[in-house]
Amino acid sequence: GENVEQHPSTLSVQEGDSAVIKCTYSDSASNYFPWYKQELGKGPQLIIDIRSNVGEKKDQRIAVTLNKTAKHFSLHITETQPEDSAVYFCAAPWSGGYQKVTFGTGTKLQVIP
Amino acid sequence: SAVISQKPSRDICQRGTSLTIQCQVDSQVTMMFWYRQQPGQSLTLIATANQGSEATYESGFVIDKFPISRPNLTFSTLTVSNMSPEDSSIYLCSVELIGDSGAYNEQFFGPGTRLTVL
Repeated sequence: GENVEQHPSTLSVQEGDSAVIKCTYSDSASNYFPWYKQELGKGPQLIIDIRSNVGEKKDQRIAVTLNKTAKHFSLHITETQPEDSAVYFCAAPWSGGYQKVTFGTGTKLQVIP
Repeated sequence: SAVISQKPSRDICQRGTSLTIQCQVDSQVTMMFWYRQQPGQSLTLIATANQGSEATYESGFVIDKFPISRPNLTFSTLTVSNMSPEDSSIYLCSVELIGDSGAYNEQFFGPGTRLTVL
């Protein structure tokens, strides 16, 4: 399977600042990288994903960058708001396939008003 | 995306009993999965629920402890058998949908079932 490392485990930012969460993966054949947001008491929600044929993808205040050579990808949240407070998980597929993914260990983001 | 519901949303159970969790999807999906999320931890795949055949279990999970049914393309159940306090976790079902490109499959999760075993 895939080995995914995620950093940091916790992150506190002031409202309006940016937050960056980084993940590394081990399988060079992996080519699909989703990010999930899990709010307290809820299931994970897919917020953005990136395929290996692009290096960056944006959706309003969130963006994901991918460096296939270094085997890492990052989630960027700009102009953070209190409702961004949640646990964020990155994931990568097993052995280059897409039907199973390995999740990172999670980052608890706290946005301080 | 897909609308996924789980029942029950939470339960408190006694040691040695069993609990069956239901997962219902609002559309037919090929792939359904069951995950466990221990308190404050990441998600661990328990098994893939296969329609019309036995589930495929990941290392560390066995059918006797976590029997799974998948009678059709919109419904699955996970049973946690002979429970102990170590089984206290959130149990999540997920489904896989074909992404916009058609080649990359996206997973969507249900709200989870919060199980406490006393």
